[in-house]
Amino acid sequence: KNEVEQSPQNLTAQEGEFITINCSYSVGISALHWLQQHPGGGIVSLFMLSSGKKKHGRLIATINIQEKHSSLHITASHPRDSAVYICAGNQFYFGTGTSLTVIP
Amino acid sequence: NAGVTQTPKFRVLKTGQSMTLLCAQDMNHEYMYWYRQDPGMGLRLIHYSVGEGTTAKGEVPDGYNVSRLKKQNFLLGLESAAPSQTSVYFCASRGTGTDTQYFGPGTRLTVL
Repeated sequence: KNEVEQSPQNLTAQEGEFITINCSYSVGISALHWLQQHPGGGIVSLFMLSSGKKKHGRLIATINIQEKHSSLHITASHPRDSAVYICAGNQFYFGTGTSLTVIP
Repeated sequence: NAGVTQTPKFRVLKTGQSMTLLCAQDMNHEYMYWYRQDPGMGLRLIHYSVGEGTTAKGEVPDGYNVSRLKKQNFLLGLESAAPSQTSVYFCASRGTGTDTQYFGPGTRLTVL
């Protein structure tokens, strides 16, 4: 059983759509991270959350500590958002990722 | 700043051979990590270090050794490579007081 579960595993959207990726975790963590892995393989840290909500450009991340759930939202999606999005608890527990493809 | 660099980028080994992967960071970060990424399994922590001269085991440490003799470098060694160690290896670092990790570009290792 994975300590961190993501859904959906794969997601295809039309350009401009609002996108939500979900992450549930079963372990106690102090911080929940969202990472973006580009098609070329490089990994970039997007957000670190310990409570509430954070926004960066068109990306919004929320976390509900009581429910052990986090969401990553992308507004006005664009083909350049196509990537794998990974959630992680602290630096130790990783989800298997959500592969997002945004079609022009 | 180069950030986090990994050497080599690609390597093919035969079963039983040994090698060392080098991770270097120029951000004066205390924390460094080695992960492996396999299809369908996500990133898994192999070993990590909380400072120069320290190392600790992660989720999948068997078959690997690490050393952190200098603050800027974190070495991952495979003493006797096995096909099960075929993977993409990522190094990451993090500064004290922040939770943002910086990842290296990865090393693709194939063990035949």
